[in-house]
Amino acid sequence: DVKVTQSSRYLVKRTGEKVFLECVQDMDHENMFWYRQDPGLGLRLIYFSYDVKMKEKGDIPEGYSVSREKKERFSLILESASTNQTSMYLCASTGGWGDTQYFGPGTRLTVL
Amino acid sequence: AQSVTQPDIHITVSEGASLELRCNYSYGATPYLFWYVQSPGQGLQLLLKYFSGDTLVQGIKGFEAEFKRSQSSFNLRKPSVHWSDAAEYFCAVGATNAGNMLTFGGGTRLMVKP
Repeated sequence: DVKVTQSSRYLVKRTGEKVFLECVQDMDHENMFWYRQDPGLGLRLIYFSYDVKMKEKGDIPEGYSVSREKKERFSLILESASTNQTSMYLCASTGGWGDTQYFGPGTRLTVL
Repeated sequence: AQSVTQPDIHITVSEGASLELRCNYSYGATPYLFWYVQSPGQGLQLLLKYFSGDTLVQGIKGFEAEFKRSQSSFNLRKPSVHWSDAAEYFCAVGATNAGNMLTFGGGTRLMVKP
């Protein structure tokens, strides 16, 4: 079974803190994604990566950056957390074109 | 750019009743389509997907969906709902020219009455 793990299920941070969300997949997938999920808005793509050290902006990249130094790991970084970044963050990975996206359990981030 | 609309934000059905969740997409070519389910506190799990071929797709947990090109729809159905089906359901569309990116609808939250 594909496994996508996220470093924390719940996280509470202060405004202005730097926040790291980690995601690891064990299926040697080339493609990895970070989404945020908000009620009524579904999932919105923040960033994705199709290879090590490669990244592309999604629909809502402002206030976020990413890092992919190893194929299995994709990190989402909030350089200076703000209250409007309070959300559920979901990581996903997938193999070739048209393959299913496999999701991690999510990290619920609260920024106070 | 592609888009997905799930017109129903909340749906409540009685246990044992049939279910249909609506999904409409916008995309110029043949899309590939997915339905995911998210149980409380969990990540998303794939229910079924459509790439090509038979327009009626069978999935896990007794769900099926039908691709109707003329209506740009991919509705999810289940003949008899169980209490454990209470969850949020997401429809997603992938574009053939956009790598592996998916665009998700806003989700439909299903509640099941005993």
